[in-house]
Amino acid sequence: KNEVEQSPQNLTAQEEEFITINCSYSVGISALHWLQQHPGGGIVSLFMLSSGKKKHGRLIATINIQEKHSSLHITASHPRDSAVYICAVAASGSRLTFGEGTQLTVNP
Amino acid sequence: EAGVTQSPTHLIKTRGQQATLRCSPISGHTSVYWYQQALGLGLQFLLWYDEGEERNRGNFPPRFSGRQFPNYSSELNVNALELEDSALYLCASSLVGLSYEQYFGPGTRLTVT
Repeated sequence: KNEVEQSPQNLTAQEEEFITINCSYSVGISALHWLQQHPGGGIVSLFMLSSGKKKHGRLIATINIQEKHSSLHITASHPRDSAVYICAVAASGSRLTFGEGTQLTVNP
Repeated sequence: EAGVTQSPTHLIKTRGQQATLRCSPISGHTSVYWYQQALGLGLQFLLWYDEGEERNRGNFPPRFSGRQFPNYSSELNVNALELEDSALYLCASSLVGLSYEQYFGPGTRLTVT
C-alpha cells in the first residue's frame, strides 16, 4: 500500500461542476502539499497545509490530521482547471512523498 | 521576483554518458530539492540540499549525485546514463525545511538513447 493514496485517479467534469479530489496518507506528517501539473510538465504549488482549511480563489483545501485525510475542492470548475493534481506529504525531517496524481478534465 | 530556473530545457544523451542539470532557486531560498518524473510514473524524490549540504536522499543509485553552491544554486549529475533515466527532472526551492512551500522550476527533460 502506498503511503499516499489519491482518489479518483481520473475525473471528468462539466464546466461549473463542483469537484473534490481526496488524499489519504498513512504516516505522521508535518505538512501536506497540493500541486497542479499542466501538460508539458510545469508544476505549481497550490496549497501547503498543516491543519484546518485554506482558500484561494475557487480552490479550497482541507486537512483532517486525526483521520490522515485531505481534500481539494474546486468550485465552478472551468476547462482551464484541466490538469493533474498531486498530493504530497512531508514526514517530519524527511522527504516529500507523492500520490499518483488525479487527472482532471473539465469539458466546456 | 524571478522564479526557480532550470537549464537546459531539453537534454539528449546516449547510454553511458554523463548528464549535468542545473537549478537556480528563488532569491532567499536556501533549500533545493530534485525530483524525477519518469514517463507514466509519479514524482520521486531524488535529493535535498540546504546550506551546501546534502540533507536527504531518495532511493536512487549513487550514479545520481549533486551539489549545492555557495549562491544556493545546484547541479544534478547523472553518471553512466541508462535508458530508464529518461525522465522529467524537476527542481524546487524553499526556505529551509519541508514545512515550507516549495516552488518548482519548469523542469529539464532528459532523453537517453
